[in-house]
Amino acid sequence: DVKVTQSSRYLVKRTGEKVFLECVQDMDHENMFWYRQDPGLGLRLIYFSYDVKMKEKGDIPEGYSVSREKKERFSLILESASTNQTSMYLCASVRGFSPLHFGNGTRLTVT
Amino acid sequence: QKEVEQDPGPLSVPEGAIVSLNCTYSNSAFQYFMWYRQYSRKGPELLMYTYSSGNKEDGRFTAQVDKSSKYISLFIRDSQPSDSATYLCAMSAKEDKLSFGAGTTVTVRA
Repeated sequence: DVKVTQSSRYLVKRTGEKVFLECVQDMDHENMFWYRQDPGLGLRLIYFSYDVKMKEKGDIPEGYSVSREKKERFSLILESASTNQTSMYLCASVRGFSPLHFGNGTRLTVT
Repeated sequence: QKEVEQDPGPLSVPEGAIVSLNCTYSNSAFQYFMWYRQYSRKGPELLMYTYSSGNKEDGRFTAQVDKSSKYISLFIRDSQPSDSATYLCAMSAKEDKLSFGAGTTVTVRA
């Protein structure tokens, strides 16, 4: 079974802090994704990566950056956290394009 | 208009009822269709995966795709309290990113 592991289940951060969300997958998948999930809005794609050191903007990249130094690890960075970034963050990986395998999410609260 | 529209719910049904979930879409290039189930405080897990039009059955679950109407459905027969979750439809064109519906929360009452 594919395992996508997100390092934190819950995080509470203060406005202006730099926040790192980590994701690791164990199936040698080329493609990795970061989504945020908000009630009524569904899943929105923030960034994705097709290979090491490669990144592409998704639909809502503003306020975020990513890092992929190793194939199995994809990090999401909030450069200066704001309250409107309070959300559930989901990491996913796949070989090809579908179907995605998701982690259990990180619920981030910015106060 | 969103690319994928999903009935928002929530749905509450008695145990044993048939649950019907629907999504419509606007992009005629979509050809891969998925349903994900998401339990509270968990990530989405793949439930059904279909290519192009037609039906697919897996136990109590049936997925239907009607590409001519740009409409997909998921049916859950003999629903159980363990089916209580949020169901997300997702779809993509060939070699492209997934587009998701907003999700429908289902509660099956014992």
